[in-house]
Amino acid sequence: DGGITQSPKYLFRKEGQNVTLSCEQNLNHDAMYWYRQDPGQGLRLIYYSQIVNDFQKGDIAEGYSVSREKKESFPLTVTSAQKNPTAFYLCASSYTGEGLVSQYFGPGTRLTVL
Amino acid sequence: AQSVTQLDSQVPVFEEAPVELRCNYSSSVSVYLFWYVQYPNQGLQLLLKYLSGSTLVESINGFEAEFNKSQTSFHLRKPSVHISDTAEYFCAVSPAGGGFQKLVFGTGTRLLVSP
Repeated sequence: DGGITQSPKYLFRKEGQNVTLSCEQNLNHDAMYWYRQDPGQGLRLIYYSQIVNDFQKGDIAEGYSVSREKKESFPLTVTSAQKNPTAFYLCASSYTGEGLVSQYFGPGTRLTVL
Repeated sequence: AQSVTQLDSQVPVFEEAPVELRCNYSSSVSVYLFWYVQYPNQGLQLLLKYLSGSTLVESINGFEAEFNKSQTSFHLRKPSVHISDTAEYFCAVSPAGGGFQKLVFGTGTRLLVSP
């Protein structure tokens, strides 16, 4: 079955540690995205990538980094510079052709900083 | 730039009653509009979308939404809700046209269906 997988589902981190969240898709989508979700704030875009080896900052990129070495994979690193990293993180992907802009989401990773 | 306003953070309703979740958007260009649903601790699922053509769009589970350009709205409706419709619903907008687009999401409306 085609889809998006995120791992782990739950992640705990001590303050001052970097942590990497995995996102893999087998939908052959060109574009991939990372969102952060906090209660009452909806989804906010962290980073996005339209093509392999290229990515752009979203609205809240500070304290995060990404890479896009393969079409299927778009890992997100939450660095120690992120002041308030506890949140639910969602990865998404989509085609980039006209009229094909629906984004498909993974199940999410809940990150808790202890 | 686009923005989305979901006027109600929470909507309580009894089972089998009708419901409307409100969504208004702001944009200086033509837009695509989406409704996503999120069940607890899960990702978002696309419920329905408006790209062009008929302003009334329907989902397979009985929801519908109507694009109203003059009122810049895309309200979501269901004539009779079920307990299983309890979830959070997000309205989203992107500029219309080809190529890569970024979605802008509203803050969500939590639909609470009780017996």
